[in-house]
Amino acid sequence: AQTVTQSQPEMSVQEAETVTLSCTYDTSENNYYLFWYKQPPSRQMILVIRQEAYKQQNATENRFSVNFQKAAKSFSLKISDSQLGDTAMYFCAFMKPITQGGSEKLVFGKGTKLTVNP
Amino acid sequence: DGGITQSPKYLFRKEGQNVTLSCEQNLNHDAMYWYRQDPGQGLRLIYYSQIVNDFQKGDIAEGYSVSREKKESFPLTVTSAQKNPTAFYLCASSTPGEGTDTQYFGPGTRLTVL
Repeated sequence: AQTVTQSQPEMSVQEAETVTLSCTYDTSENNYYLFWYKQPPSRQMILVIRQEAYKQQNATENRFSVNFQKAAKSFSLKISDSQLGDTAMYFCAFMKPITQGGSEKLVFGKGTKLTVNP
Repeated sequence: DGGITQSPKYLFRKEGQNVTLSCEQNLNHDAMYWYRQDPGQGLRLIYYSQIVNDFQKGDIAEGYSVSREKKESFPLTVTSAQKNPTAFYLCASSTPGEGTDTQYFGPGTRLTVL
């Protein structure tokens, strides 16, 4: 079974600075997807960024980028120019697509609570 | 606007009662999911459905039931058999086959057993 580990329960960063959240996962699969979701105090789960394992290029979305190291099974999230609105729980998640079509379940880490300080 | 709605936002239940949580989506997504979130934990899958009239158990299905009579709707019933139902429940949907398989979430329902 796949597992996802987020080793940093809490982190803080000053506004406008850069922060990196860590995520490692364990799988024997070669093809899979990785996600970072953000859960602000409203508790709505919001997709931040997605990475396909077969792509060597790291995904980026505006101020958010990932460092995907497939051999090391590592998937860290970098937030540049941190903003107060980035304060939230961040969850790393793994998904294995099923070959006959359809979506597999998401396997989540326990989350990292990020606080952006003014 | 397209999206996923969940109702109610807060729900209180007495022990021994069944309650049903609503999840509706107008994104024309085929697959729908129910997750449970406990404090300090990530989300765990309760049930999922890839097409109408079909659904599968997830990791923690005991004490829960679902139905999928319409593509847009995937209600979750928390039965009296669920030992510890107090939690935050999130519904999600996705459309497989578009190369994305990305799950999008509703705003959640907070269930408290009194």
